[in-house]
Amino acid sequence: DAMVIQNPRYQVTQFGKPVTLSCSQTLNHNVMYWYQQKSSQAPKLLFHYYDKDFNNEADTPDNFQSRRPNTSFCFLDIRSPGLGDAAMYLCATSGGTYTDTQYFGPGTRLTVL
Amino acid sequence: EDQVTQSPEALRLQEGESSSLNCSYTVSGLRGLFWYRQDPGKGPEFLFTLYSAGEEKEKERLKATLTKKESFLHITAPKPEDSATYLCAVQAGGKLIFGQGTELSVKP
Repeated sequence: DAMVIQNPRYQVTQFGKPVTLSCSQTLNHNVMYWYQQKSSQAPKLLFHYYDKDFNNEADTPDNFQSRRPNTSFCFLDIRSPGLGDAAMYLCATSGGTYTDTQYFGPGTRLTVL
Repeated sequence: EDQVTQSPEALRLQEGESSSLNCSYTVSGLRGLFWYRQDPGKGPEFLFTLYSAGEEKEKERLKATLTKKESFLHITAPKPEDSATYLCAVQAGGKLIFGQGTELSVKP
């Protein structure tokens, strides 16, 4: 089945230690998104790629970066995680236009010690 | 400012007790309204997309409707497995704007 896959599902890191989360998709979608979701809150868009074009949200901290080496994969790098970065990180994809439905992966739960 | 408000924040139902969840929105140029279901510790699961006022979509016990100002998710004869958080989102300015969600609990 075509899907959005995130690895790992659970990630524990130490304060200040860089961490990378990965997302892959078999839907062959052009657009890939990264969201942060904290407990009992709505998902918050961090950035997205439209094909190779990177689009950063204005309020996304510089601590968060992303890479998309090819259509299928996208990575979220957190350079120096703080305690406030502990959250669920969701990857989503959509087809060729912004009105297309976004399909989400299962998420990666990040814990910062 | 584009905004999405969901009510109630939490809803407790008995099995078989039908009800509705509300999603009110203010957005300049609606380009789609989406309903998702989210189970604890998991990513949102897509349910419906609605594009124009008057549109309705159904899936099993769920039915979504759309007006110019709000959307309803009607749940008919819910079962315990329908317990989850239901998220509403609108497509505006090239991105999804989410509501805070309604946490639904269905007791047997």
